[in-house]
Amino acid sequence: DSGVTQTPKHLITATGQRVTLRCSPRSGDLSVYWYQQSLDQGLQFLIHYYNGEERAKGNILERFSAQQFPDLHSELNLSSLELGDSALYFCASSARGTSYRGTDTQYFGPGTRLTVL
Amino acid sequence: AQSVTQLGSHVSVSEGALVLLRCNYSSSVPPYLFWYVQYPNQGLQLLLKYTSAATLVKGINGFEAEFKKSETSFHLTKPSAHMSDAAEYFCAVSEGSSASKIIFGSGTRLSIRP
Repeated sequence: DSGVTQTPKHLITATGQRVTLRCSPRSGDLSVYWYQQSLDQGLQFLIHYYNGEERAKGNILERFSAQQFPDLHSELNLSSLELGDSALYFCASSARGTSYRGTDTQYFGPGTRLTVL
Repeated sequence: AQSVTQLGSHVSVSEGALVLLRCNYSSSVPPYLFWYVQYPNQGLQLLLKYTSAATLVKGINGFEAEFKKSETSFHLTKPSAHMSDAAEYFCAVSEGSSASKIIFGSGTRLSIRP
């Protein structure tokens, strides 16, 4: 158990809908990262938040957005869902952020499996 | 841009045999390199990481990896495979001086034959 929790575990929805995925980082961790894992695109970095502020963006679609709240939990919002958005979405957390020059270990949650029908 | 190539999407070894999972990276700056393992229906777990200290990095579960700059490689090895090692393994590199953006390889599925 990494200490990172994600809810829900599974989510089934229809095209065009909007969903919210939730992540609670390990106690004391200030950074939260979101990743998407799909069969055709593999594991891709989406976005990183550090202590409430966006720090880096990866291959995140404009239909997707995220935020980190004062209690440090994070939400990933996916809107106008398409079939291709079906994937496993992982959240990870780390103690610090980019200031530690790459030595900060990221701990992954169990993921949310999104199925768009 | 940095990238990672994992050679072999599927590797099968016998229990007790050497495990060798190959990873080559592309980077214009000194990279930070990682190996993660993903067991079925679970999240990713860090096996080990290279951060320019020692070139031979020891990780959990008996795995180790050697950073070879001349070959731009970071292959993962384990002397003796165990049935519990069956999983998907991902090599990854962090971009630039930031740990934020981790670029993952396509993964190698390791199967262990009894």
